Amino acid sequence: KAGVTQTPRYLIKTRGQQVTLSCSPISGHRSVSWYQQTPGQGLQFLFEYFSETQRNKGNFPGRFSGRQFSNSRSEMNVSTLELGDSALYLCASSLDGTLYNEQFFGPGTRLTVL
Amino acid sequence: AQTVTQSQPEMSVQEAETVTLSCTYDTSESDYYLFWYKQPPSRQMILVIRQEAYKQQNATENRFSVNFQKAAKSFSLKISDSQLGDAAMYFCAYRSPSISGNQFYFGTGTSLTVIP
Repeated sequence: KAGVTQTPRYLIKTRGQQVTLSCSPISGHRSVSWYQQTPGQGLQFLFEYFSETQRNKGNFPGRFSGRQFSNSRSEMNVSTLELGDSALYLCASSLDGTLYNEQFFGPGTRLTVL
Repeated sequence: AQTVTQSQPEMSVQEAETVTLSCTYDTSESDYYLFWYKQPPSRQMILVIRQEAYKQQNATENRFSVNFQKAAKSFSLKISDSQLGDAAMYFCAYRSPSISGNQFYFGTGTSLTVIP
């Protein structure tokens, strides 16, 4: 079974631009969560999608948004990029997002904002 | 709010020796899970071990074991017979079925170096 894939792996943008990151979960998994990883703040939860609905959201500004498609693939969008958005963005998938089912992480997308 | 603290930013261990990574957490909930994740330089987070709070027995996975002290809210990871492939960033994490919805709360990580 293929693991969680994220595209692109690397991205360079300038301030003010917007960006879309993609996450394809493991086949059969319906829950996708997104995390931002920075040296200063560590790993912080962005949001979780389950069956095309946002089920949970972290404490991030509205510039960060996401969606999930019927095939469980998820995209994350960041508008009006700021320098502080430079980070590794990780997605994780699980069967249903409950505690009892393991979450599997993707390799991440490294976003650099210049 | 739930917080997870890893007080050791960096640790090193000689190959074949044993090392213990520390983690403490703060919560008022009784039902939760604790995890240790490994993130090698390739960046893919890998689950090392997990512990359900209601289980008193410490979890063990081959060379990895935990010391779970629920009253002290402590959850340390012991790596025995350390190998070069164990070198990575290790994250302690907490999850609970609270109103915040199963999200992970991560510590800031401990970078483990294995010395040949």
